[in-house]
Amino acid sequence: GAGVSQSPSNKVTEKGKDVELRCDPISGHTALYWYRQRLGQGLEFLIYFQGNSAPDKSGLPSDRFSAERTGESVSTLTIQRTQQEDSAVYLCASSLVTSGRASYNEQFFGPGTRLTVL
Amino acid sequence: AQSVTQLDSHVSVSEGTPVLLRCNYSSSYSPSLFWYVQHPNKGLQLLLKYTSAATLVKGINGFEAEFKKSETSFHLTKPSAHMSDAAEYFCVVSDMDSNYQLIWGAGTKLIIKP
Repeated sequence: GAGVSQSPSNKVTEKGKDVELRCDPISGHTALYWYRQRLGQGLEFLIYFQGNSAPDKSGLPSDRFSAERTGESVSTLTIQRTQQEDSAVYLCASSLVTSGRASYNEQFFGPGTRLTVL
Repeated sequence: AQSVTQLDSHVSVSEGTPVLLRCNYSSSYSPSLFWYVQHPNKGLQLLLKYTSAATLVKGINGFEAEFKKSETSFHLTKPSAHMSDAAEYFCVVSDMDSNYQLIWGAGTKLIIKP
């Protein structure tokens, strides 16, 4: 079956422009996560969606960042007025969440979107 | 607060020799611990996970890790390195009560010399 897909794979934009990144999770996965990975660093949690619950936005670094998810399918991460420090790989992951402890459920990652802000 | 320290940013070993990637964590509760691997231009893949069962955890591709509470460590090992093991490896921790949030180490790049 298909894994997690993300688009675009690469995005180059100018400082101050808005960008929209897309994630298609694995069908049937109720949990969806967005992470940011700066060069040479680990993953930084951004936001988490679980079913119809309110998303956990505690990792979003500023109000320029927002994300939406339609039901249990596609999610979009929007960055407004991009800055050079936003340059990174943005990773999306999904998991089944078959138990109450989501951390026990394996997260399946997409290939990421490499964002470069000039 | 949770944190993860991967003690080496780069590890270089010869093909056929043992691999040791070190990870120390801090957690106020009994943690869940994971190792993920990221091959160049590929997505992240789960290698293994510890969730309070056996302290020695076996993963894919011959890797294993041992949870040592007294040392707050979760080091990743493999008896014999293969060229295909060259990748970035991430140690990840999650508290029992943090539910979904995974805290990631900075990563260790494993280099395999022929």
